[in-house]
Amino acid sequence: QVQVVQSGAEVKKPGASVKVSCKASGYTFTGYYVHWVRQAPGQGLEWMGWINPNTGGTNYALKFLARVTMTWDTSISTAYMELSRLRSDDTAVYYCATGAAVAVGPIGVDNWGQGTLVTVSS
Amino acid sequence: DIQMTQSPSSLSASVGDRVTITCRASQSISTYLNWYQQKPGKAPKLLIYGASNLQSGVPSRFSGSGSGTDFTLTISSLQPEDFATYYCQQSYSTLWTFGQGTKVEIK
Repeated sequence: QVQVVQSGAEVKKPGASVKVSCKASGYTFTGYYVHWVRQAPGQGLEWMGWINPNTGGTNYALKFLARVTMTWDTSISTAYMELSRLRSDDTAVYYCATGAAVAVGPIGVDNWGQGTLVTVSS
Repeated sequence: DIQMTQSPSSLSASVGDRVTITCRASQSISTYLNWYQQKPGKAPKLLIYGASNLQSGVPSRFSGSGSGTDFTLTISSLQPEDFATYYCQQSYSTLWTFGQGTKVEIK
């Protein structure tokens, strides 16, 4: 049974960085891309990027290219998303999601973490 | 980036109604279109992948169609548990994008 568990809520000051973790179990961690999606309060879903835990390859949405870093640790089946230079409009729930074995194709992601609320406030 | 535009942004419907949500891509994406359902405070749930393939465990009242730039999600007979927000998402580009969402509310 696939499980994806994220780290707990964070409160950060503007200008700081946050690192959210995403631990997967129940499947071969290196077999699926890990995507990160965020959702600001009352807003829609915003795709941030993916990491391929098999190769370490990453692909980031242009909006986040300068501020986001996605990494992984295969030994503990955990992916990480770090967002730097936080602003108040980065306040959102951050989700990791997995289940797609390729970067493009007729595939979606069917295993989601519970979400991590990141609040940016002075 | 490929832009995804959903319509309507919201709709009101009654239990038993047939509901159709439309998603349009800014360029052709073949059938690389997925649909998700999200309820308040919960993570999204994959309903349809590859434009028309029902994800395992999803009720058959949900169906998807389309190719190229125009896609639809249909709920054949709306049930109380279907009141939620629905998102389309393209997986044609290595840079995925979501539509803005369609909120289905109770009439």
